[in-house]
Amino acid sequence: DTGVSQDPRHKITKRGQNVTFRCDPISEHNRLYWYRQTLGQGPEFLTYFQNEAQLEKSRLLSDRFSAERPKGSFSTLEIQRTEQGDSAMYLCASSSPTGTGANNEQFFGPGTRLTVL
Amino acid sequence: AQSVTQLGSHVSVSEGALVLLRCNYSSSVPPYLFWYVQYPNQGLQLLLKYTSAATLVKGINGFEAEFKKSETSFHLTKPSAHMSDAAEYFCAVSGAGSYQLTFGKGTKLSVIP
Repeated sequence: DTGVSQDPRHKITKRGQNVTFRCDPISEHNRLYWYRQTLGQGPEFLTYFQNEAQLEKSRLLSDRFSAERPKGSFSTLEIQRTEQGDSAMYLCASSSPTGTGANNEQFFGPGTRLTVL
Repeated sequence: AQSVTQLGSHVSVSEGALVLLRCNYSSSVPPYLFWYVQYPNQGLQLLLKYTSAATLVKGINGFEAEFKKSETSFHLTKPSAHMSDAAEYFCAVSGAGSYQLTFGKGTKLSVIP
């Protein structure tokens, strides 16, 4: 178990550019989540996949954001036409297929810190 | 809708003193409650979770939390703080049928030698 990994760890971009982040979940986990954490706040839910299906999306996920998990393994989060307000830590988490409710422990990656200049 | 309120964005305690971090929740369904810890530049690590099996939950690193339905609270405690406990702590809630976690704003714990 190597844990959840995210790449890159840091990304600096100019406003208007597109960025893409990658998340590799724990290998046997079929559920994958994206959260956004801004300074001084707790993580906020963005979206959730079960295998390759995107089952939940937050209203925070504007049209400029798109997430994919094409083969039910790794996931990508793309932000188009970045804005300064997109600057945040983007966290990925995964959980086991046997977990429901209280047993649905989510394991978090180290995050990708995005800075939009 | 679910929500979590963490009282105190910053708590300072002396090494060896009691740690008490407060969390109140709001949920229209029986909640599932979690405490996570985040060290600088790292992801979140689960400390403990409320499974409804017992109201007093023991977690890692000597932390425990008590679920009080009448007070809608799930406060985190540790009898004796260590320097290594300095971190940010987040309380989170999820409801039946939803896998998303709703987090509080976090409480940064400082431990004074």
